[in-house]
Amino acid sequence: DAKTTQPTSMDCAEGRAANLPCNHSTISGNEYVYWYRQIHSQGPQYIIHGLKNNETNEMASLIITEDRKSSTLILPHATLRDTAVYYCIVRAAGGSQGNLIFGKGTKLSVKP
Amino acid sequence: GAGVSQTPSNKVTEKGKYVELRCDPISGHTALYWYRQSLGQGPEFLIYFQGTGAADDSGLPNDRFFAVRPEGSVSTLKIQRTERGDSAVYLCASSPSPWTGAGEQFFGPGTRLTVL
Repeated sequence: DAKTTQPTSMDCAEGRAANLPCNHSTISGNEYVYWYRQIHSQGPQYIIHGLKNNETNEMASLIITEDRKSSTLILPHATLRDTAVYYCIVRAAGGSQGNLIFGKGTKLSVKP
Repeated sequence: GAGVSQTPSNKVTEKGKYVELRCDPISGHTALYWYRQSLGQGPEFLIYFQGTGAADDSGLPNDRFFAVRPEGSVSTLKIQRTERGDSAVYLCASSPSPWTGAGEQFFGPGTRLTVL
């Protein structure tokens, strides 16, 4: 089972910030938080990941709470092309397994 | 550069038939993953290759499913005696090195399999 909890769906106005929450209350100390998104009829696309500190790249920012039990993905200026299903995944480093465990994600609809 | 490619993009077959789905990973990527995605669900892990060997095949649902990667590059997912429940999008992903938790997996566009 997925180790994360996300809202089923969210709406955001074009040009505004989209804040997508994720709860991962059972996260272990060596587990990273990953975000992927999947635009309709495409494969998932990596967005960002982090361990403890907040992270920012050209796509988004990731805010992880101090106790690491939850995080928020921020798309600073959402566009219509950001409409997609967003998946929050926790995954340990190393080990023999390589798979990502996806839940159902949050369907983000960016509206004009 | 070229991303992960999968062929065919769509495959329609009849119940009981055999199908092969192909994945071409990004050149130089040693790790390759297969996932299956049913309608309205997130991708579900099937098998993970590190080089030519299957490092983890715990996600294969039964012995009708088999995958190979003989030269450590292209991989083929094989499904015998297909059933209607096998209908899904089959996704392939690759990454440049063994999983370290500090990198991303690059996904292909998927093959949509429909079993009639």
